[in-house]
Amino acid sequence: GAVVSQHPSRVICKSGTSVKIECRSLDFQATTMFWYRQFPKKSLMLMATSNEGSKATYEQGVEKDKFLINHASLTLSTLTVTSAHPEDSSFYICSAHSGRETQYFGPGTRLLVL
Amino acid sequence: GEDVEQSLFLSVREGDSSVINCTYTDSSSTYLYWYKQEPGAGLQLLTYIFSNMDMKQDQRLTVLLNKKDKHLSLRIADTQTGDSAIYFCAESVTSGTYKYIFGTGTRLKVLA
Repeated sequence: GAVVSQHPSRVICKSGTSVKIECRSLDFQATTMFWYRQFPKKSLMLMATSNEGSKATYEQGVEKDKFLINHASLTLSTLTVTSAHPEDSSFYICSAHSGRETQYFGPGTRLLVL
Repeated sequence: GEDVEQSLFLSVREGDSSVINCTYTDSSSTYLYWYKQEPGAGLQLLTYIFSNMDMKQDQRLTVLLNKKDKHLSLRIADTQTGDSAIYFCAESVTSGTYKYIFGTGTRLKVLA
């Protein structure tokens, strides 16, 4: 149980385009989903917290108009990187929390912006 | 402040024990976690401990928590080459909003 999927696993896009990443909790309902960004050989940096049916809470320094988050249901959250630039290239990981002890993490999405 | 520190690297021989250490600063954390990350993959939950516990053992894994010193450790017994990965500790904090604070990560290399 407690499986979280992400789609796509890898994406390459041109500079200026937008990319949508999906995060799904497959066998449980997630009241909260989290989006993280990980730079090579670095730790995870929390970008935003998203609660179903309400606006996401962004961490300091994360542009909410750049990284649009939608949490339309208890099993799906999406992150859209708008007008992507090469510096947005990174590994994006989501996690889902059901209100119990742990967050469950997705396998990550590697974004490369050319 | 919120700060979770780990040593960057650890190298051990196959069959030996590995001990990965973590120090944190937020005394309000309720749970502390250990995650494993293999190259290009997401995070795999290894184990977690409630903040009022001192120790938790799960097969080859032993977690020790010293709440007074805000020190957490993960011991892996009989370390195998498949244990080579990056290990992250994390604390859950609820001051303000619920979230995790991750450590800097320890890269474990197991030598055959």
